[in-house]
Amino acid sequence: EAAVTQSPRNKVAVTGGKVTLSCNQTNNHNNMYWYRQDTGHGLRLIHYSYGAGSTEKGDIPDGYKASRPSQENFSLILELATPSQTSVYFCASGDARGANERLFFGHGTKLSVL
Amino acid sequence: AQSVTQPDARVTVSEGASLQLRCKYSSSVTPYLFWYVQYPRQGLQLLLKYYSGDPVVQGVNGFEAEFSKSNSSFHLRKASVHWSDSAVYFCAVSMRGSALGRLHFGAGTQLIVIP
Repeated sequence: EAAVTQSPRNKVAVTGGKVTLSCNQTNNHNNMYWYRQDTGHGLRLIHYSYGAGSTEKGDIPDGYKASRPSQENFSLILELATPSQTSVYFCASGDARGANERLFFGHGTKLSVL
Repeated sequence: AQSVTQPDARVTVSEGASLQLRCKYSSSVTPYLFWYVQYPRQGLQLLLKYYSGDPVVQGVNGFEAEFSKSNSSFHLRKASVHWSDSAVYFCAVSMRGSALGRLHFGAGTQLIVIP
């Protein structure tokens, strides 16, 4: 079974601070994704990546940056955190078979911005 | 643009009862359709998916879903629920022809199974 590991599991940050959420996958998947989950909205796509060195904007990229330094690692960066970014963040990887791709999710990171 | 609607935010059923969780999508073409489940303090896991062919697809743990093109729906069913089925269920779609699986999720339905 595909393994996606996120760190940290919980994070409390101050408004204006920098936050980095990390994700590691050991399945050699090309595609990786960052979603946020908010009540009433389901999961919304922030950034994604086709492979090492690539990052693409998703549906709600404002206020976030992403970095894919290697096949295994994909980070989400909040340069200036705001309370509206309080949410649960999920990383996922996919087996790159087109639109019918199956995604494998991490356990999530709960971020609170005070 | 695609959208997914799960009209029931919460569903409560008794153990052993049957279950239907509703999902409707809006899309100009039939998308790929998925149901994912999220157990407490875990990430999402794939339950089942529909690409084409038989409109009834079987998933894990006795779940099945039926695609209806005329109704733009993909409802999830189970004949007899167990307390361990308590979780949040998400319906999702992705567009055929796209280069990768960008999923559009519904808001989710929380299922509560009463022992």
